Amino acid sequence: AQTVTQSQPEMSVQEAETVTLSCTYDTSESDYYLFWYKQPPSRQMILVIRQEAYKQQNATENRFSVNFQKAAKSFSLKISDSQLGDAAMYFCALTTSGTYKYIFGTGTRLKVLA
Amino acid sequence: DTEVTQTPKHLVMGMTNKKSLKCEQHMGHRAMYWYKQKAKKPPELMFVYSYEKLSINESVPSRFSPECPNSSLLNLHLHALQPEDSALYLCASSQGQFLLLDGYTFGSGTRLTVV
Repeated sequence: AQTVTQSQPEMSVQEAETVTLSCTYDTSESDYYLFWYKQPPSRQMILVIRQEAYKQQNATENRFSVNFQKAAKSFSLKISDSQLGDAAMYFCALTTSGTYKYIFGTGTRLKVLA
Repeated sequence: DTEVTQTPKHLVMGMTNKKSLKCEQHMGHRAMYWYKQKAKKPPELMFVYSYEKLSINESVPSRFSPECPNSSLLNLHLHALQPEDSALYLCASSQGQFLLLDGYTFGSGTRLTVV
């Protein structure tokens, strides 16, 4: 069975500071992909960043970057220079090649303090 | 057009009502999905349509009836719902059913309240 675990239900960060959201996963597949989705109060789930398991280099998208530790099955999201607009629920998700759905974690609510 | 549009944004319905949720995309995506999301929980997959045909039903009760009239449109027909069906219903699309590598494009959802 594949699982995704987010152990931090809620996190807070000061505006302009850096925060790291944790995610661990478990899969027996060798070909898999990891994602972070953001869901702000507007409700729309937005893809923040993705990582292909076979790539050793950590993915980055502007202020968002991941720390992908394949052996430890860890996939944390780092948000630099946090902005008020980053306040949202963040979901970590896993999918494997040839499957039709994502396995989502339970989410981390991020609050950004002015 | 890089959006998935869902209507209505909010819906209140009685347990004896019949209503429909609508989802539309014009990105040429060939897979479309319905998800149900309860408060403070991750989305749960309900249905998958691939090339306009229902390919996955995640054991959803028959009071939810999906329909895909064409490649751009996905409906969810609701009948005789229960209060526990109150949730956010999200529609999503992707290039293909087994091509999730680029991620989904989600709509903003319909907030459904059953009274």
